[in-house]
Amino acid sequence: DQQVKQNSPSLSVQEGRISILNCDYTNSMFDYFLWYKKYPAEGPTFLISISSIKDKNEDGRFTVFLNKSAKHLSLHIVPSQPGDSAVYFCAASAAGTYKYIFGTGTRLKVLA
Amino acid sequence: GAGVSQSPSNKVTEKGKDVELRCDPISGHTALYWYRQSLGQGLEFLIYFQGNSAPDKSGLPSDRFSAERTGGSVSTLTIQRTQQEDSAVYLCASSFAGTDEQYFGPGTRLTVT
Repeated sequence: DQQVKQNSPSLSVQEGRISILNCDYTNSMFDYFLWYKKYPAEGPTFLISISSIKDKNEDGRFTVFLNKSAKHLSLHIVPSQPGDSAVYFCAASAAGTYKYIFGTGTRLKVLA
Repeated sequence: GAGVSQSPSNKVTEKGKDVELRCDPISGHTALYWYRQSLGQGLEFLIYFQGNSAPDKSGLPSDRFSAERTGGSVSTLTIQRTQQEDSAVYLCASSFAGTDEQYFGPGTRLTVT
């Protein structure tokens, strides 16, 4: 049972436009969410996080939105740059736990 | 400073052989995680170490898998009698206790032939 789902395996966006990556979860106990970026042959690197007490968190070109009622979060990258081309994973955890459940990832390709 | 390192970066082994994968976490990080990423899949939690506490082994897929962490630092993941379905990238991550950001190593790509 996949508790964290990223239903789009890949996404292509033109440089300068907005990239929107989506993530859905099923466990209502999840209250902390993270996005990681992964380049080939490297480990994932932390990008941005959001707690369930917020519905938006912004860091430069990256913004994460959380819709708790829909159990949905999204990562917006604007403007997209070719260097953003990578696989993006969302992850979720429940309060008081250290175990993160990861989605299957979305491969973003930003076209120059 | 130095990040999380893993060795070997690639390992090809024959079915039925044992393998050991090593992880050197960031100095000072008390929490250490092992994950597995099979082709087309997300990161699958395997095991978690926190300080001197008993590890959480709930993610280990079978009793062929085991892990230890010596001296609260280096960790070794051992897979006995490897099977082809064990082929995956094995990722190690570490973090400060009580924080949420995990720092990942580059992974070990295991191929069982």
